[in-house]
Amino acid sequence: KQEVTQIPAALSVPEGENLVLNCSFTDSAIYNLQWFRQDPGKGLTSLLLIQSSQREQTSGRLNASLDKSSGRSTLYIAASQPGDSATYLCAVRSHDMRFGAGTRLTVKP
Amino acid sequence: GAVVSQHPSWVICKSGTSVKIECRSLDFQATTMFWYRQFPKQSLMLMATSNEGSKATYEQGVEKDKFLINHASLTLSTLTVTSAHPEDSSFYICSARDSRASEGYYEQYFGPGTRLTVT
Repeated sequence: KQEVTQIPAALSVPEGENLVLNCSFTDSAIYNLQWFRQDPGKGLTSLLLIQSSQREQTSGRLNASLDKSSGRSTLYIAASQPGDSATYLCAVRSHDMRFGAGTRLTVKP
Repeated sequence: GAVVSQHPSWVICKSGTSVKIECRSLDFQATTMFWYRQFPKQSLMLMATSNEGSKATYEQGVEKDKFLINHASLTLSTLTVTSAHPEDSSFYICSARDSRASEGYYEQYFGPGTRLTVT
């Protein structure tokens, strides 16, 4: 059964800092991996989707990488802003989609 | 982009009653829909997968007689929480797969969630 782990569980940084969120998964036989943002009490906002044949995807200040063989993905956020404060979820699709527990990010002004 | 809606966005019900949550794909047909549950400060847990016109597949530990799922059309799936109890209070999120998408490599589109509070 696929297990998805996200480290760290929580992260607090000053505004402007670049940061990396980590995601690892146990079964490398995946179709794709997706990063989401979730604000408190709200639903999911899809940030980036990486297919298994891809190594990275970029959208604005966000860059996600995928190393399928080692079972790892990172989400890089450049020049963080207070509006980036949210919980970031990593989800992996193999037989179905499984989520990590998330990283709760706080960007302090 | 593909849009998935849920109704209601929040609901309060009394213990012992049943409540129905609707999930609709607005601009695409969804062969498969998924129901997730999220408890406070926890991640999403898959409850069941439903395919249009057939019975849902439930994850281990999810009571199929308590959480009734109906996927009667390609744009609508419903989750009915029967005889609700306070421990069923949670955030329920549905997700849908575009029926035209490639097997396995498709993107799941998520609804905004429904917050259920059972008193």
